[in-house]
Amino acid sequence: GAGVSQSPRYKVTKRGQDVALRCDPISGHVSLYWYRQALGQGPEFLTYFNYEAQQDKSGLPNDRFSAERPEGSISTLTIQRTEQRDSAMYRCASSLGPRDNSEAFFGQGTRLTVV
Amino acid sequence: LAKTTQPISMDSYEGQEVNITCSHNNIATNDYITWYQQFPSQGPRFIIQGYKTKVTNEVASLFIPADRKSSTLSLPRVSLSDTAVYYCLVGEGSNYQLIWGAGTKLIIKP
Repeated sequence: GAGVSQSPRYKVTKRGQDVALRCDPISGHVSLYWYRQALGQGPEFLTYFNYEAQQDKSGLPNDRFSAERPEGSISTLTIQRTEQRDSAMYRCASSLGPRDNSEAFFGQGTRLTVV
Repeated sequence: LAKTTQPISMDSYEGQEVNITCSHNNIATNDYITWYQQFPSQGPRFIIQGYKTKVTNEVASLFIPADRKSSTLSLPRVSLSDTAVYYCLVGEGSNYQLIWGAGTKLIIKP
C-alpha cells in the first residue's frame, strides 16, 4: 500500500476482553515495529520483526501481550485480558530492511481505551 | 544501545534558525544518528540521518562533531508549522529504532 495502515483507528473495550490490533506495512518492507505511546511521551518499543521472524520482544510488558507476522507482511498485536493500564496509542512502523539504517514509516496508530 | 539526552522543550519565533542539540556520550562506532519529527495526533516522521560531519537535505541540517558524542539538528527559517516534538535516536541497523526518549517539544511563536 501507499503507507502503513493500522486498524482499527479507535478501539474501546471492556476490561478483561481480548483485543487484536492490525498493522499492514508498506509493501516490500522487511522490518516491522510495534510501539506504545502515552500522551506526552516518546514511543515505547514493544517488539519487532524481520520478515516473519520476531527478532526482539523484550519490550512486551507481560505475557498478556503477543505479536505475530505469519507471512512476513501483515502483523497483529494481541492483548489478552485487557486492563485499564493498557489504554494507550499503539503505533506500528515499517522499514525497508534490517541492515541499512533505513527510515521507519509510521501508521496513524490505534487508540485503545479499556473501560 | 546509546542513550540520548535532549532538552525537554524550546521556544523560538518564525523566521529564526533553530538548533536542537542531542547528547549521546556512549555512541558506538557503527551507530548512526537519526532525527524524527512528530506532530500531535500523528506518527513520527523521519527528518534526517548522519554518521559524521554534516548532512543537509531540503528540510534540515545535521551537524556531528568529530567525537560524535553529540549532534545538532538545525532547522532554517522556521515557521509555525514546525511546532512539533523532535526525537534524536542513535543506533545501527534495526536497533536504532528501539529507544526513543521524550524528545524536544519545539514551539514556534508568531
